[in-house]
Amino acid sequence: EDKVVQSPLSLVVHEGDTVTLNCSYEVTNFRSLLWYKQEKKAPTFLFMLTSSGIEKKSGRLSSILDKKELFSILNITATQTGDSAIYLCAVESYNTDKLIFGTGTRLQVFP
Amino acid sequence: AAGVIQSPRHLIKEKRETATLKCYPIPRHDTVYWYQQGPGQDPQFLISFYEKMQSDKGSIPDRFSAQQFSDYHSELNMSSLELGDSALYFCASSPDRPDTQYFGPGTRLTVL
Repeated sequence: EDKVVQSPLSLVVHEGDTVTLNCSYEVTNFRSLLWYKQEKKAPTFLFMLTSSGIEKKSGRLSSILDKKELFSILNITATQTGDSAIYLCAVESYNTDKLIFGTGTRLQVFP
Repeated sequence: AAGVIQSPRHLIKEKRETATLKCYPIPRHDTVYWYQQGPGQDPQFLISFYEKMQSDKGSIPDRFSAQQFSDYHSELNMSSLELGDSALYFCASSPDRPDTQYFGPGTRLTVL
């Protein structure tokens, strides 16, 4: 059965800390892995990863995919209170044309 | 563990037809959210229900309606379908309104 597992479930840090969020998956015919940030309502897109070992970077956020070990990490450096959100990982599959979400990691950043 | 179930998984309709999407939340989850995700776009929040009452409304067109039933499953009814309604429709559930949302696998609607 296809599944996406994120860890930790919850993380509380102080501003300025660096955090690493993990996403592991088991999906047949993997197409891509996506990271989203969900603050209030709808998730907003962060990264799409399709190839192993290529880091995607956007400001203080970066992500990398390991297709051999079937996981991805999302790094946030110098965290700010505005980074507080739920970070969702989702995996796309070719054959079933579906997007499978993990349960998310809740990040809380305190000043 | 049981997850959010959505049906059907795929649906193909023609313009001006109607469609009904169903969502079965995780047992004991009383809140359901509906999202629409167009190609290459972020999911857009449509509407949510808490304890069978509408709790929040997003960018849901007037042609769409939804409800949550006594068994907490929810249905999204879409009428006068347009080409632009083609999208992936996600349902998510949570055990309490501010809590983590658990997403279903989505229903892919194609309008021809």
